[in-house]
Parts: sequence; C-alpha cells; structure tokens
Amino acid sequence: GAVVSQHPSRVICKSGTSVKIECRSLDFQATTMFWYRQFPKKSLMLMATSNEGSKATYEQGVEKDKFLINHASLTLSTLTVTSAHPEDSSFYICSARPGQVYEAFFGQGTRLTVV
Amino acid sequence: AQSVTQLGSHVSVSEGALVLLRCNYSSSVPPYLFWYVQYPNQGLQLLLKYTTGATLVKGINGFEAEFKKSETSFHLTKPSAHMSDAAEYFCAVSGAGTASKLTFGTGTRLQVTL
Repeated sequence: GAVVSQHPSRVICKSGTSVKIECRSLDFQATTMFWYRQFPKKSLMLMATSNEGSKATYEQGVEKDKFLINHASLTLSTLTVTSAHPEDSSFYICSARPGQVYEAFFGQGTRLTVV
Repeated sequence: AQSVTQLGSHVSVSEGALVLLRCNYSSSVPPYLFWYVQYPNQGLQLLLKYTTGATLVKGINGFEAEFKKSETSFHLTKPSAHMSDAAEYFCAVSGAGTASKLTFGTGTRLQVTL
C-alpha cells in the first residue's frame, strides 16, 4: 500500500514556542492531505484539509492562526503549532489518499507534549 | 452529512472466540466504509474497505465485514480472536472522491484474554 511518513514521532517543547510537524507521501502524489487530532481514549477529530498550492480548509472551532498548515508540494504538508500551550498537547495524525484509491493512508502520528 | 456510531467502547473476548465489533452509519450519499486498527502511539492501518460491489469484504489478519444497506451497518468480525488483535478499532465513512472527508466513529477497544 501507499506510504505516508510523519515526522517527528515525538516532540516535547516549552510553552510559547512553535513546533512543526511534517507529513510526506513517499510513493504517491497527494493534492489533498488531512490533519487530525486525537485526544486520549478518543476518536480522531479532523482539524483541517490541506490543499496543495492553496489555503487549507479548517474545521469549525479550529484556530487557523494557531495551527498553520502549508501544503507546498504534492508530497509534503506541514502543520505548525504556534505559541504552543500545555492544552495543545495531543496526538496529531496526518493522512492522504493517492489518486483514485478510496482509502486514506495514515502517518505514524506525532505525540506533542508542551511543558 | 455523515456520521458513524460504534456500539461498545470496550469489547472483551477470550482468545479463540468470535470477535464482533458493531458499526452503524448514516450518509446522504452512497457510503464508502472503512475499518481501521490503531495500536498504541501509532497511526491507523486499514483493515478493510467497502466501496461498491460485493457486500461481504475480507481484509487483513482474518477480519471481514458485511455492508448491509437496509440496516445501515458495517459490522466487523473475526472467527477466532488472537492476542495480537488487542487494539483500538475505528469505523469510518466517506463519500466518493479523494478530497472527501473521513468521518470516524468513537472507536472500540478490543481486549483479548487468555
């Protein structure tokens, strides 16, 4: 199957700093990628849809100025958590769908801890 | 609009017993249905999917699911549970198209006991 690589897998940062998470499709091109947040023992909450070459589409209630998404190429999307606070600590997961394949492939996830 | 309901946040079975994880959906368009498995601190891995055609779909690791339109269900089964099946399972629905959003259920944690 298609491979989506997410980096880093774990990151600890100080409150007030920014953190960038990368999501790469390794063997296919993705015009659309998705970013999710998962709280402990909870389901995945879609944060935004990342569109190559254009602005991301954010879900209701997600602060676009806090969670900056850039989809600069067909194989890379980045999520930057700006001015992170402890409440931003969570598990972030990206996904992408290659071509006409209907299933989404997921990255390994990034565990963000803000101290 | 679409939604997914997974009945039972926790399911416990004995090793070798039948696994049944329930999923009901609602969708305003013909649904594409998926089951994913998640191990601790990892992303999601696709178990199986239904798009069109045969309503009984087989996936990896011996899992299968049946799409029942009349019941708006897509329950996941496995005849004989293995210890390695212990994980979180998510049912999801989407429409057609690569830009269609996936809507997930709340997940079911499967515990397998000796």
